[in-house]
Amino acid sequence: KAGVTQTPRYLIKTRGQQVTLSCSPISGHRSVSWYQQTPGQGLQFLFEYFSETQRNKGNFPGRFSGRQFSNSRSEMNVSTLELGDSALYLCASQPGGANTEAFFGQGTRLTVV
Amino acid sequence: GNSVTQMEGPVTLSEEAFLTINCTYTATGYPSLFWYVQYPGEGLQLLLKATKADDKGSNKGFEATYRKETTSFHLEKGSVQVSDSAVYFCALSEGSGGYNKLIFGAGTRLAVHP
Repeated sequence: KAGVTQTPRYLIKTRGQQVTLSCSPISGHRSVSWYQQTPGQGLQFLFEYFSETQRNKGNFPGRFSGRQFSNSRSEMNVSTLELGDSALYLCASQPGGANTEAFFGQGTRLTVV
Repeated sequence: GNSVTQMEGPVTLSEEAFLTINCTYTATGYPSLFWYVQYPGEGLQLLLKATKADDKGSNKGFEATYRKETTSFHLEKGSVQVSDSAVYFCALSEGSGGYNKLIFGAGTRLAVHP
């Protein structure tokens, strides 16, 4: 069974640009969540998508957005990038029910210069 | 709100030493509890989990017991190996209403020396 695939693995962007990250969950999983990991703030929940609907959202500004497609693949977008957006962005795949095990991808390392 | 507190690292041990990483939580309701491990340059891997009070999760020699009375989920291993060197995260799941959201502790870096 293929794991969670995140692309690209590494990105370098300039302040003010926007970026789109992609996540392909495990086959059959309908829930995709996104997390931001930084040395200062640790792991923070961004949002969760289930059946193409955002059903939970963390405390991040509106510059952070996402979507989910009918095949459960998800993208997250960050607009007007700031230096502080530099982080490892992790995607988690779950079957869909509450309190189920989350399977993480290897992450996308975003560097904003 | 819900939160997780872990002991600060780094924790440095010699091979075959006993490991304890403390984790306490604050939560309403009855969350599930998890330990995740992160190796350098990698994402998170689930190490073990417990879904209700007094449950013991175990995997690869690691164990943790869900203690509701002390709101704790301490990670233990009887004999660590160099290959256990990684960052360990304690987490709880805010899963009420069908939603999935993990609240993580700050992480504890473990370094095991031969």
